[in-house]
Amino acid sequence: GEDVEQSLFLSVREGDSSVINCTYTDSSSTYLYWYKQEPGAGLQLLTYIFSNMDMKQDQRLTVLLNKKDKHLSLRIADTQTGDSAIYFCAEKGGSGGYQKVTFGTGTKLQVIP
Amino acid sequence: DVKVTQSSRYLVKRTGEKVFLECVQDMDHENMFWYRQDPGLGLRLIYFSYDVKMKEKGDIPEGYSVSREKKERFSLILESASTNQTSMYLCASSQTQGLGLRNTEAFFGQGTRLTVV
Repeated sequence: GEDVEQSLFLSVREGDSSVINCTYTDSSSTYLYWYKQEPGAGLQLLTYIFSNMDMKQDQRLTVLLNKKDKHLSLRIADTQTGDSAIYFCAEKGGSGGYQKVTFGTGTKLQVIP
Repeated sequence: DVKVTQSSRYLVKRTGEKVFLECVQDMDHENMFWYRQDPGLGLRLIYFSYDVKMKEKGDIPEGYSVSREKKERFSLILESASTNQTSMYLCASSQTQGLGLRNTEAFFGQGTRLTVV
């Protein structure tokens, strides 16, 4: 089946840039997502990119997609302590009537003041 | 403001008990999902439903069942709880499946942390 992989942990200093990486195996992916989960909360959609795009920028967030290598990254500029959370990469793909969303393991971002 | 509400934040149940986890959404979404979240494993799909009374197995349906009698409510049932079902359970809902931009986002509840002792 489809697989989405992320490193489990990332630590950065406040004010630095954070880059969270993700690889996936599904070549039929249509959308790729980044979700954020703050402590004690559910997941919230942070941003997404359509599979025919290679970059999307939204304020401090930059998403890069390398479709050939099936690699997705999320860059957070000027990382703040409020960015500390678990970040999940997810991809939507599959054939047939229902397109399944597969989540990665999540990367826990720790921002050091 | 969109809302997915899970009935309990924390639950402690005994091995062998029948457990009901309830989820309600107020967005008139067709699709509803149940995931479990475990450290190092991410979110794994247990079951989903794309319409009332319709259900489909996800990746790890064993030991679980679901019920969708009304569009806004999706229940996850553990017929006989076991300790390996101790986990965080997340419910989500989304618009009709498809490729349109409006259909891209899933909204999540806050989660139910279930401990089976």
